[in-house]
Amino acid sequence: EDQVTQSPEALRLQEGESSSLNCSYTVSGLRGLFWYRQDPGKGPEFLFTLYSAGEEKEKERLKATLTKKESFLHITAPKPEDSATYLCAVLNSGNTPLVFGKGTRLSVIA
Amino acid sequence: DAGVIQSPRHEVTEMGQEVTLRCKPISGHNSLFWYRQTMMRGLELLIYFNNNVPIDDSGMPEDRFSAKMPNASFSTLKIQPSEPRDSAVYFCASGPQGDSPLHFGNGTRLTVT
Repeated sequence: EDQVTQSPEALRLQEGESSSLNCSYTVSGLRGLFWYRQDPGKGPEFLFTLYSAGEEKEKERLKATLTKKESFLHITAPKPEDSATYLCAVLNSGNTPLVFGKGTRLSVIA
Repeated sequence: DAGVIQSPRHEVTEMGQEVTLRCKPISGHNSLFWYRQTMMRGLELLIYFNNNVPIDDSGMPEDRFSAKMPNASFSTLKIQPSEPRDSAVYFCASGPQGDSPLHFGNGTRLTVT
C-alpha cells in the first residue's frame, strides 16, 4: 500500500528564515510526486510535479527536489504570504489515484 | 476557465437528514474525484470516475454514501442518513487522464449536529 508521511506537522518561521519541508514516501513504482499548497477555506492548489530522482523544480521562493525515498520543499527567505498548508501526494505506476500526506502547516511571522 | 465549482460552500444539517453535495468539473477533464478532509485523517479518496463511469468506490465509508456522475459536467455525492461523524470538508477534483495534476474545488464544509 502506498504511503506518504510529511514532517514536520507544523512549522513556524520568522520572515526571511529559510527551511525545508519533508515528504517521505513508499510507492509501488513512482509515476509522479506532486506538491500542493492549501490556504484556509480553499482547495489544494497545484505547485509542482516531480517524476524522477534528481529532478528539481522552482517557483519563486520554493524549490522542490526528489530522491528515491523522499522529496523536499525548500523555502528560501519566506514571506508571510507563504503561510499555508503544503501537501505532498504520490501517483503510482498502477491505476490508483493520488495518495496524499497529511500536510505541513507553515506559518511565517513578520 | 472557472475551475472546479462545488456547492454549497457550507452545509449544516441535523443527524438523520439527507445531504447532497454538487460538483461541476472543468470542461474537458475526463476524471473526477471526491475527497474528504479532516484534521485527523487528512485527505481521503472516497470515489473516482473516468469518463463518467465509477472506477473505484472502495473509499466510500459505508452504504450511507453514494455518488453519481450523470454526465461529463456534473456529479453529486449523497449522504443518507447523515451522522455527526460525517462532519468534514468534502472536495471535488477533476483532471485529464494520465499523470497530469488534479484541480480542486474550494470544498463543501459539512457539519452534522
